[in-house]
Amino acid sequence: NAGVTQTPKFRVLKTGQSMTLLCAQDMNHEYMYWYRQDPGMGLRLIHYSVGEGTTAKGEVPDGYNVSRLKKQNFLLGLESAAPSQTSVYFCASSSGTSGSDRETQYFGPGTRLLVL
Amino acid sequence: GQSLEQPSEVTAVEGAIVQINCTYQTSGFYGLSWYQQHDGGAPTFLSYNALDGLEETGRFSSFLSRSDSYGYLLLQELQMKDSASYFCAVRDGRAAGNKLTFGGGTRVLVKP
Repeated sequence: NAGVTQTPKFRVLKTGQSMTLLCAQDMNHEYMYWYRQDPGMGLRLIHYSVGEGTTAKGEVPDGYNVSRLKKQNFLLGLESAAPSQTSVYFCASSSGTSGSDRETQYFGPGTRLLVL
Repeated sequence: GQSLEQPSEVTAVEGAIVQINCTYQTSGFYGLSWYQQHDGGAPTFLSYNALDGLEETGRFSSFLSRSDSYGYLLLQELQMKDSASYFCAVRDGRAAGNKLTFGGGTRVLVKP
């Protein structure tokens, strides 16, 4: 049981390049989330999903797109990277409305992204 | 919108007790969570309070007062491994998805 995994762990991009961050969970969770964390700050929600095929905007969605084609995977895309998107990106999942741990979000190890 | 306030840093010695306060302004409040994050690591869940009162889990306890829009995390018998950042987060109950809004975090430094 790997929990939540993220690929890649670290990436350097040039301004204007695109990339996709992959998040996978093996806990059969309904809900999945993408956050960004800037140095010395809390996490801010970018996009989230309440089930396969669904996505919704969070607090800071501009410049990002997401897809949830399979229940276990949640992809975050940057179409044209900007230096302001330099951050650590965390994916998380939760069981949703059922289970004793339904209020728990389980986080992946993070992806460190540097945009030059 | 949602906003949370917590102190930026707290320093204490091993064996001491630390209380991290969190005040929030939010619409649609559903519950208050606490997460721990070591440097370079991922946040991990510590506790969740939906009702007023104290929840105890080992050396850590969390308290909520809904009428005061206030909660705290109490760390007892501090150990060196407790040096980390601690985040409070409010759950928005108005929409599906169990969305969380996080505070800016409190960095706890435990000294020998």
